[in-house]
Amino acid sequence: EVQLVESGGGLVKPGGSLRLSCAASGFTFSSYSMNWVRQAPGKGLEWVSSISSSSSYIYYADSVKGRFTISRDNAKNSLYLQMNSLRAEDTAVYYCARSVVSPDYWGQGTLVTVSS
Amino acid sequence: QLVLTQSPSASASLGASVKLTCTLSSGHSSYAIAWHQQQPEKGPRYLMKLNSDGSHSKGDGIPDRFSGSSSGAERYLTISSLQSEDEADYYCQTWGTGGFYWVFGGGTKLTVL
Repeated sequence: EVQLVESGGGLVKPGGSLRLSCAASGFTFSSYSMNWVRQAPGKGLEWVSSISSSSSYIYYADSVKGRFTISRDNAKNSLYLQMNSLRAEDTAVYYCARSVVSPDYWGQGTLVTVSS
Repeated sequence: QLVLTQSPSASASLGASVKLTCTLSSGHSSYAIAWHQQQPEKGPRYLMKLNSDGSHSKGDGIPDRFSGSSSGAERYLTISSLQSEDEADYYCQTWGTGGFYWVFGGGTKLTVL
């Protein structure tokens, strides 16, 4: 059974940093692209970042470019999102998702709240 | 600009059928999309990938009650024999070409009466 479990969310002050993790199991992690998608409270889904299976290709939404860094460790079956210079508008539930072309498995999410 | 447009809300009765619509922006009518379901307080769940010719491939364990179809720039999700657990938000999603990015529609909140 494919499982994606996010962790690392919490309350952080504007300008602060946070590192999210996603632990994957039930599939060959190193064969799939992985992604982060977020959802602000009461809002829709917003793509954040994607990384190819071998980390050769990395992409970011304009809203996070230069502040967020996606990475993965295939030996640990883990995906990460380093978030720096956080803003109030980054407040959201962050989901990791596996993808072939589109996301086909999602995690349950971790809440990030940016507030003073 | 690649944009997906969805009606904010829809409703249908228990046991009935409902057809949700996702409209691709001008110039993008050949794009495939994916449909995702998000039940209250849960993470999204992949339903299917839907091509411009109406062919679709569903995710693991998705019941036959869920089907997809296409017409021009419109992509449809039909749910038959509605059940209470189908009450959820439904998002369509596609991907850009010539530079990687994902686009989501605004979502349709389905109420089962």
